[in-house]
Amino acid sequence: AQKVTQAQTEISVVEKEDVTLDCVYETRDTTYYLFWYKQPPSGELVFLVRRNSFDEQNEISGRYSWNFQKSTSSFNFTITASQVVDSAVYFCALSEAEGGGNKLTFGTGTQLKVEL
Amino acid sequence: DVKVTQSSRYLVKRTGEKVFLECVQDMDHENMFWYRQDPGLGLRLIYFSYDVKMKEKGDIPEGYSVSREKKERFSLILESASTNQTSMYLCASSLQAGAYEQYFGPGTRLTVT
Repeated sequence: AQKVTQAQTEISVVEKEDVTLDCVYETRDTTYYLFWYKQPPSGELVFLVRRNSFDEQNEISGRYSWNFQKSTSSFNFTITASQVVDSAVYFCALSEAEGGGNKLTFGTGTQLKVEL
Repeated sequence: DVKVTQSSRYLVKRTGEKVFLECVQDMDHENMFWYRQDPGLGLRLIYFSYDVKMKEKGDIPEGYSVSREKKERFSLILESASTNQTSMYLCASSLQAGAYEQYFGPGTRLTVT
């Protein structure tokens, strides 16, 4: 069975600090997909990034970057120069390629609070 | 842009009532999903559907049923609501199975008293 662990329940930083959100996953599949979602206070989950298991290249999108390491089964998310608008709950999720319906298994989320 | 809408943002029901939560997506997506979100537990999959009239149980289907009569609409039914079903319910859709990201609706916060 697949599993996603986000050990950090809540992180507080001051604006402009860099922050890394950890994600560790477990799966028996060789082909799988990893995702990060953001849930702002309004409640709607917003897709941020997808990574497949064959592509370990790091990805950068503006102030956001993702580090995928198969050797440690981790898919960490870094926000550079954090801003108050980054305050949200962030979820890491895993989808296995086998089976139907691309079911996502979510971690329990990390609440990020960015203060002035 | 993909749009997933849910019929209510907030809903209050009494124990024993039959409750319908409706979800509609406008992007012709094959797959649709219902999750519930509870503090400390993240999102847990209740049911999903990969085609019209097809449904599969997720991780916590007990006490729920679903209906998908049209491709764009996926309904979650609580046959006899109980207080432990008080939660945030999120609907999602995705293009196909496998690698595709899911798009979420705004959620329905259901309170059962």
